[in-house]
Amino acid sequence: NAGVTQTPKFQVLKTGQSMTLQCAQDMNHNSMYWYRQDPGMGLRLIYYSASEGTTDKGEVPNGYNVSRLNKREFSLRLESAAPSQTSVYFCASSLLREWQFFGPGTRLTVL
Amino acid sequence: DAKTTQPNSMESNEEEPVHLPCNHSTISGTDYIHWYRQLPSQGPEYVIHGLTSNVNNRMASLAIAEDRKSSTLILHRATLRDAAVYYCILRARNSGAGSYQLTFGKGTKLSVIP
Repeated sequence: NAGVTQTPKFQVLKTGQSMTLQCAQDMNHNSMYWYRQDPGMGLRLIYYSASEGTTDKGEVPNGYNVSRLNKREFSLRLESAAPSQTSVYFCASSLLREWQFFGPGTRLTVL
Repeated sequence: DAKTTQPNSMESNEEEPVHLPCNHSTISGTDYIHWYRQLPSQGPEYVIHGLTSNVNNRMASLAIAEDRKSSTLILHRATLRDAAVYYCILRARNSGAGSYQLTFGKGTKLSVIP
């Protein structure tokens, strides 16, 4: 099992560009999550999907959209990237409200 | 939301036990205590969780105070691979939206000295 995979690993964008971060899990988990981590800080929840077909805002949703494509995949879209969105983005999944498994992260820089 | 307080950093010698404290004085009766750790340049990793009783697994032990206002993560023999940031997190037990969310603080950075 690959667990939680994220693509790309690194990305550099210019202000105003758009991009989609991809996340997939092969553990048959119901719930999936997107977090961001700024330097020296803990993770903050952007959006989550408790189950296939549902998505909800987390602590810092502004500037992001998500799509729960199917049970395996949960994508995060930045429509118009801003320097404040420079961060490391982590995807996670869990079996309903059980503990979460995290991916390796995507390091995003917005110039 | 109930919050946790952890020391910013701790040091331990290799192969010695480590006790990582966490205060959560405003914990509610329905909150689980979760611990995660984050190794350098990696995503967080689940370590252990508990509600009222002490818990053991292959990675660590979790000691929960009788009044549940504090807990301690115990690594029985620290290795260099245990150097990481350790997060103590309260998670709602109920079925509402909050039960899905993990709120990460800054955690405790554990350094292991060879």
